[in-house]
Amino acid sequence: GENVEQHPSTLSVQEGDSAVIKCTYSDSASNYFPWYKQELGKRPQLIIDIRSNVGEKKDQRIAVTLNKTAKHFSLHITETQPEDSAVYFCAASIWNYGGSQGNLIFGKGTKLSVKP
Amino acid sequence: NAGVTQTPKFRVLKTGQSMTLLCAQDMNHEYMYWYRQDPGMGLRLIHYSVGEGTTAKGEVPDGYNVSRLKKQNFLLGLESAAPSQTSVYFCASSYGPAGVQETQYFGPGTRLLVL
Repeated sequence: GENVEQHPSTLSVQEGDSAVIKCTYSDSASNYFPWYKQELGKRPQLIIDIRSNVGEKKDQRIAVTLNKTAKHFSLHITETQPEDSAVYFCAASIWNYGGSQGNLIFGKGTKLSVKP
Repeated sequence: NAGVTQTPKFRVLKTGQSMTLLCAQDMNHEYMYWYRQDPGMGLRLIHYSVGEGTTAKGEVPDGYNVSRLKKQNFLLGLESAAPSQTSVYFCASSYGPAGVQETQYFGPGTRLLVL
């Protein structure tokens, strides 16, 4: 089955710097890659996602890139702010008509700390 | 519109006791999921449902049972709790499968401690 590896497990940056979190997946059939943010004691919330037919997607200060050949995707946060401090999870999913159900397989998470 | 809610928020059990966690959603979603979250392990899928009356196993189903008698509710049962089931349990729901870019909305979580 699918396996998702996420690095680093912890990341500390200064406010205003950029942060990059990387994930690799094992199944080349995976075609959907969401990123979730979980603040301390809160529920995970979707922040951005990308499909396999797109190489990059941006939403204000966050962006996700996908390299299908290398089977890895990354989350980029620019101009980090203290409120970006949280645990970030990547995930991968396979879905096709009449085939796989499309469940999410999550990475183990990256704890991002943004120091003011 | 409450979204996804979970009951209870926190529970302490003794080994061997049983309990049921309730998840409710008011978004008319077909798909519902139960995950467990352990430190350093991310979110792991226990069971899921693709519609009323259906259930299926996820990555870590052993020791758990589920039921989806009503579309808006998804119940997770522990028949004989073990310390290894100490975890935070999250319910989630979505219109369709994740692969079609359907956002999964999570509930607030249930913290379970098994002594």
